[in-house]
Amino acid sequence: GENVEQHPSTLSVQEGDSAVIKCTYSDSASNYFPWYKQELGKRPQLIIDIRSNVGEKKDQRIAVTLNKTAKHFSLHITETQPEDSAVYFCAAELTSGGGADGLTFGKGTHLIIQP
Amino acid sequence: DSGVTQTPKHLITATGQRVTLRCSPRSGDLSVYWYQQSLDQGLQFLIHYYNGEERAKGNILERFSAQQFPDLHSELNLSSLELGDSALYFCASSFGLAVSYEQYFGPGTRLTVT
Repeated sequence: GENVEQHPSTLSVQEGDSAVIKCTYSDSASNYFPWYKQELGKRPQLIIDIRSNVGEKKDQRIAVTLNKTAKHFSLHITETQPEDSAVYFCAAELTSGGGADGLTFGKGTHLIIQP
Repeated sequence: DSGVTQTPKHLITATGQRVTLRCSPRSGDLSVYWYQQSLDQGLQFLIHYYNGEERAKGNILERFSAQQFPDLHSELNLSSLELGDSALYFCASSFGLAVSYEQYFGPGTRLTVT
């Protein structure tokens, strides 16, 4: 089955700096890679996603890049703000012979924005 | 507010017991996914239902089962509970069958097994 590794587990950056979180996956058949943000005590929320036919996608201060050959994808947050402090999860499509079955998540990155 | 509701919010029960968690998807959504979140295992996919039919199973134990009813709400049944089943259980709904449709998470049910 799919295995997703996420690094780092904790990331502390100064407000205004950039943050990068990296994930690798094992199943070359995966074609969909979402990123979720989970604030303390709240539900995960989708912040951006990318499909395998695209190498990069941006949405304001957030961008995701995908390297299918190397099987890794990354989340980039620029001009970080205090409200970016949260746990971020990457995920990859879990596939079987019959098609996509669900999502496999990384262990999460606790992003801390220092004022 | 995602539009997905889950009840109860908190559940405390003893080992060996059985509980039922309920999820109501967003209006119009046909897919319901169940996830378990714990400190040691992270966020794990359990099972996916689409329009009343089971579509995929993830890391779901045999002691756990689920169903989706004609009105599209879903229930997750956990039996013979063990201490290790203590976790936050989320359901998520989406419009379509494919996993690439945006999933909207409910607020979760926190299960504590004592």
